[in-house]
Amino acid sequence: KNQVEQSPQSLIILEGKNCTLQCNYTVSPFSNLRWYKQDTGRGPVSLTIMTFSENTKSNGRYTATLDADTKQSSLHITASQLSDSASYICVVLLGNTGKLIFGQGTTLQVKP
Amino acid sequence: DTEVTQTPKHLVMGMTNKKSLKCEQHMGHRAMYWYKQKAKKPPELMFVYSYEKLSINESVPSRFSPECPNSSLLNLHLHALQPEDSALYLCASSQNRGASYEQYFGPGTRLTVT
Repeated sequence: KNQVEQSPQSLIILEGKNCTLQCNYTVSPFSNLRWYKQDTGRGPVSLTIMTFSENTKSNGRYTATLDADTKQSSLHITASQLSDSASYICVVLLGNTGKLIFGQGTTLQVKP
Repeated sequence: DTEVTQTPKHLVMGMTNKKSLKCEQHMGHRAMYWYKQKAKKPPELMFVYSYEKLSINESVPSRFSPECPNSSLLNLHLHALQPEDSALYLCASSQNRGASYEQYFGPGTRLTVT
C-alpha cells in the first residue's frame, strides 16, 4: 500500500531553536518527494522537491534530506521563527501519474 | 505570475442549493486538480484534468461535478451536498501531469454545508 508517515504529529519549540521533522514512505514507483508548508486555512506551498538521486536540498532555513534506500526523508528547520508555525506535509509523487501521496503532516508551533 | 486563484474564499450553502467553485491560473499549465481537505487531515485528491480532459476521478460522488472550460479555468459544481462535505477545497495546477512537475496550490475555498 502506498503510504507516507510523518513524525512527530505535533511539535512545540522556542523561537530561535532548530528542529527536524521525519517522513517515511512506502510509495512505489517513487518519482519524487516534496515538503510543503501549509498555514491554517491556506493552500500548501512547496518548500523542496527531491528526486531519487538527490540527498540534500536547501531552501533558506529549510534543509531536506532523502535516503532512497531506507525510504526516509527529513526536514530540518534552522533558527526557527514565529512565522514557521504551520503544518509541514511530506508528499511523494506516485510514478508518472501526477498523483500525490500525502503524509498526515506535522504541526509545528514556534513560541516566543 | 505563479498564482492559482480560487473564488469564493468562503461559501455557506444549504443541502438543496446549487453552487460552483472557481479556480484560475495563467501560468500556461495544462494539468489542474481538485482536492478536498478536512480539518487536521491531508488533502485528498478528487479530480485531475490534463489538457482540459478529465483523466482521474477518485470515485467522487456525483453531487460534485468538475468542469474545465478552457486551459486556464477549472470549476467544481456542487449540488445536493451533505454536511459532511464541509471542508477546504483546494485547486492546484502543474505544467503537465508528469513526474517532475511542481503542483501549485491555490488558497482554497472554505465550504460549509448547513
